[in-house]
Amino acid sequence: SQQGEEDPQALSIQEGENATMNCSYKTSINNLQWYRQNSGRGLVHLILIRSNEREKHSGRLRVTLDTSKKSSSLLITASRAADTASYFCATDKAAGNKLTFGGGTRVLVKP
Amino acid sequence: NAGVTQTPKFQVLKTGQSMTLQCAQDMNHEYMSWYRQDPGMGLRLIHYSVGAGITDQGEVPNGYNVSRSTTEDFPLRLLSAAPSQTSVYFCASSLRGPAGYTFGSGTRLTVV
Repeated sequence: SQQGEEDPQALSIQEGENATMNCSYKTSINNLQWYRQNSGRGLVHLILIRSNEREKHSGRLRVTLDTSKKSSSLLITASRAADTASYFCATDKAAGNKLTFGGGTRVLVKP
Repeated sequence: NAGVTQTPKFQVLKTGQSMTLQCAQDMNHEYMSWYRQDPGMGLRLIHYSVGAGITDQGEVPNGYNVSRSTTEDFPLRLLSAAPSQTSVYFCASSLRGPAGYTFGSGTRLTVV
């Protein structure tokens, strides 16, 4: 099974609203990353949070990490139609050199 | 700066045929990986490389071979294509370690 699991699987919101998605993982990690994928395209790296960090911001993105619960959340504030995409969390396990992706959250932002 | 270039973008193979998916990056990245993405799912790691001459297996390596003779190139070979290998294949690279990947635009492979 995959290391990271996103919740919800799909999310539909109005433009201007906030979008929150969660990621849970199973084993100790070096870092957790979030990527965006527009339909039919390659993934784009959004943000990386290290295991010793609890919160990180980048523009309209806010990521939190709770290593005790093995979970992370991605918040997109003031969403725009252009934020419509699938969002994936990915974990770099502490004892390895591999990046493992979750199943993704499909976000639809309605204008 | 081209980033990560994958060729071809689309390919149809017959069962049993072999082919090589090409991946090249011009960013002098040490770390490169191949993933497959099936409909509605996340990415699964096939093989990865931490530098020229060094490769290792990911989660789903069976039926695929890789080599890394140069820093720039990381081809993925399908030995004998099967319908279960129908997927979109992504190559990704990073400067050091599996962080902040740059992805190629993908190869959509159909095996009939």
